[in-house]
Amino acid sequence: DGGITQSPKYLFRKEGQNVTLSCEQNLNHDAMYWYRQDPGQGLRLIYYSQIVNDFQKGDIAEGYSVSREKKESFPLTVTSAQKNPTAFYLCASLPGQGKGANVLTFGAGSRLTVL
Amino acid sequence: AQSVTQLDSQVPVFEEAPVELRCNYSSSVSVYLFWYVQYPNQGLQLLLKYLSGSTLVKGINGFEAEFNKSQTSFHLRKPSVHISDTAEYFCAVRDYSSASKIIFGSGTRLSIRP
Repeated sequence: DGGITQSPKYLFRKEGQNVTLSCEQNLNHDAMYWYRQDPGQGLRLIYYSQIVNDFQKGDIAEGYSVSREKKESFPLTVTSAQKNPTAFYLCASLPGQGKGANVLTFGAGSRLTVL
Repeated sequence: AQSVTQLDSQVPVFEEAPVELRCNYSSSVSVYLFWYVQYPNQGLQLLLKYLSGSTLVKGINGFEAEFNKSQTSFHLRKPSVHISDTAEYFCAVRDYSSASKIIFGSGTRLSIRP
């Protein structure tokens, strides 16, 4: 079955370390997204990418970096510059056209805890 | 730039009672509107969407929402809730001009009391 795989599901890191969260999709979707979820703040957009080798900053990109070298993959790196990285991170994708063109498909999320 | 406001962070209701979850948006252009649901420790799944046409849209699990352009609202309703509807609900907007950018509200936690 097609879908989005995020790994790891849980991640613990020490303060000051960079961490990379994986997001892989086999839906052949064009666009991919990273959101951060904190209690009471909903989902906030970190980065998104509409095509390979191109991506745009969302509303809270500071302290994060991404790459889009392959259509299926959109990894997110949480750098040491991110002041409060402990959160639930959600990856999503969107087809470029067709019946489901406006509907995001989400992964199950990665919970990052910085100690 | 578009934005989404969900006024109620938590809504407690009794089982079999009706519920309305409020969503207001702001955008300078026409929009697409969505409601997603999130069960504990999971990703989000689509409940329903408004793209064009009829302003009353029906979704899964008996939910419906009405697009009101003059009030810039897209409130979610269900006439009779069940314990299984306990979840967090998110309103989202995508405007015609911002290509792929999709913005979410802060969420409303629906808790059902027996």
